[in-house]
Amino acid sequence: DVKVTQSSRYLVKRTGEKVFLECVQDMDHENMFWYRQDPGLGLRLIYFSYDVKMKEKGDIPEGYSVSREKKERFSLILESASTNQTSMYLCASSSGGSNEKLFFGSGTQLSVL
Amino acid sequence: GENVEQHPSTLSVQEGDSAVIKCTYSDSASNYFPWYKQELGKRPQLIIDIRSNVGEKKDQRIAVTLNKTAKHFSLHITETQPEDSAVYFCAALYNTDKLIFGTGTRLQVFP
Repeated sequence: DVKVTQSSRYLVKRTGEKVFLECVQDMDHENMFWYRQDPGLGLRLIYFSYDVKMKEKGDIPEGYSVSREKKERFSLILESASTNQTSMYLCASSSGGSNEKLFFGSGTQLSVL
Repeated sequence: GENVEQHPSTLSVQEGDSAVIKCTYSDSASNYFPWYKQELGKRPQLIIDIRSNVGEKKDQRIAVTLNKTAKHFSLHITETQPEDSAVYFCAALYNTDKLIFGTGTRLQVFP
């Protein structure tokens, strides 16, 4: 079974702090994604990556950056956390090519106070 | 722009009844349409998907239909059971690389 692991289930940070959300997958997947989930807004794509050291902006990249130094790890960075970034963050991976099935992590509920 | 609209936002049905969730997409080039189910406190999981060269796909009690001309696709659940209660998300693949999700439908099945 594919495992996508997010380092924290719950996180509480203060406004202005730099926040790192880590995601690791164990199936040698090419593609990795970061979504945020908010009630009534569904899943919105923040950033994605098709290969090591490459990244693409999703629909809501403002206030975020990402890092993919190794194939199995995709990090989401909030340079200066703000209260409107309080949300559930979901990491996902897929093998790519013609296989678009996403495997999700269990999510990180981030609260910015 | 890239957009997926999903309706209704909530749906309540009696056990044994059918449930239908509808989505529309904006890019006629989209060719892949998955449905994800998210149970309370759990991660979303793929339950069924359809590609644009097929009009309908069925897997036991769930089916998905696609109308490419109208840019609509729908999830049908028959003989609903309490364990079908969850949030369901439709999605469409844009530019062959981005999955854009709908806003979700909370389905409640009452015994």
